[in-house]
Amino acid sequence: QQKVQQSPESLSVPEGGMASLNCTSSDRNFQYFWWYRQHSGEGPKALMSIFSDGDKKEGRFTAHLNKASLHVSLHIRDSQPSDSALYFCAARMSNYNVLYFGSGTKLTVEP
Amino acid sequence: GPKVLQIPSHQIIDMGQMVTLNCDPVSNHLYFYWYKQILGQQMEFLVNFYNGKVMEKSKLFKDQFSVERPDGSYFTLKIQPTALEDSAVYFCASSPSVLGDQAPLFGEGTRLSVL
Repeated sequence: QQKVQQSPESLSVPEGGMASLNCTSSDRNFQYFWWYRQHSGEGPKALMSIFSDGDKKEGRFTAHLNKASLHVSLHIRDSQPSDSALYFCAARMSNYNVLYFGSGTKLTVEP
Repeated sequence: GPKVLQIPSHQIIDMGQMVTLNCDPVSNHLYFYWYKQILGQQMEFLVNFYNGKVMEKSKLFKDQFSVERPDGSYFTLKIQPTALEDSAVYFCASSPSVLGDQAPLFGEGTRLSVL
């Protein structure tokens, strides 16, 4: 069983719309979470991290963490065509230096 | 900003041959990683490396795989011999420390095609 699950597998939103991506961990030892974005033909790049319960906002991006339910989400407001990419949720356990990635959500923002 | 460089960007070899993938990590980073990605899907952890040693490795890190960073030069992933199922994009990453909120920085990947 995958340690980090993501949904949906793919998502299409109109330009200017809101995109919501979800991630659930199956292991309560995960303490640190990141969202990575990967454009086609490139390596993944860290978008933002979240380690505490609640919301964290960075520009158009808002991450939410609920440690009790092991649920992390990413919301992108005012989506742009340049946001079209593969988004990964990644999680790490405390004092353990392995980043586990989810299976990814392919986001398409239609002009 | 700082970058992780991977050389070459694409490597084509025959099954059974040896291949070495090279990674030039960020200069002040201490932890190094290799990940494998097939068909633009999930990033699978292979191995991490610190202070000249393998710290953790996954089941995907087969006996045919090895990593090293001789004298602070390239961090390398060697596969000997290669198999068809080794065809994938291999990403190198580095991070300054193990603790804290520093996310590993990834390179652009090396696409390995085993024929």
